[in-house]
Amino acid sequence: ETGVTQSPTHLIKTRGQQVTLRCSSQSGHNTVSWYQQALGQGPQFIFQYYREEENGRGNFPPRFSGLQFPNYSSELNVNALELDDSALYLCASSPDLGTSVYEQYFGPGTRLTVT
Amino acid sequence: AQTVTQSQPEMSVQEAETVTLSCTYDTSENNYYLFWYKQPPSRQMILVIRQEAYKQQNATENRFSVNFQKAAKSFSLKISDSQLGDTAMYFCALNSGGGADGLTFGKGTHLIIQP
Repeated sequence: ETGVTQSPTHLIKTRGQQVTLRCSSQSGHNTVSWYQQALGQGPQFIFQYYREEENGRGNFPPRFSGLQFPNYSSELNVNALELDDSALYLCASSPDLGTSVYEQYFGPGTRLTVT
Repeated sequence: AQTVTQSQPEMSVQEAETVTLSCTYDTSENNYYLFWYKQPPSRQMILVIRQEAYKQQNATENRFSVNFQKAAKSFSLKISDSQLGDTAMYFCALNSGGGADGLTFGKGTHLIIQP
C-alpha cells in the first residue's frame, strides 16, 4: 500500500509569483487536508477537500486555493507569494470524511522558500 | 475556537529513562479527539497515540501512554524506556469540530534522548 506522497520536495520562489504543490492520497482515501508549518511552529490547517469539493477552511486568505481530482489527488495553489508563505506544506489523507476527525495520514511535506 | 498549548519547548533525558511531555487544550465541544504526533528530522508527521474524549481509559501503545484528565483539559504523553530513535519534535493535537475544522496543533516539544 502506497502512502501519501508530495511533490516537489523543495522549491524556491520569488515574492509575487504563484506556486502549485501536489499531493497523492493513500490508496482508497477520498479526503485530503492541507497544513502549513512555519519554522518552529506546529502545523496550521489550511483547508480540506472531500470528493472534489472544499469541505472546510482555516484562517487563510483566498490566495490559498486548492483542487481535488477524481482520483482524489490534490493540489494547493498559492498566488501572489509573500515572504511569510515560506514554510513546510503538509498534506494528509483520510479514508473518508467521517474518519478524518480521528485518522489522518501525513505525507513528507514540501518545503517552500520565498525570497 | 480550540487551542492547544505545549509549555515545554525542549526536553532532554538519558536513554532508557522515562519522560513525560505536557499538553493542555481548550474546546467547547464535548466529543473530540486528542493526538500525539512525532516529527523526526525527516519531517514526516507520524501518529504516536490517539485518545477519544468520551473514553475514560487512558490510551496505551507499547512504550507510549497518555494521562488524560478531561476536567483539567490536560493530555500528557509518557514515554517509557526511551530510545535514541525517540529523538524528535512531538506535537499535541486536537480535533473537536469534525474533520472539516482540521487538526489544531501545539507548538511542539523537542525531545532529545541522550546516549
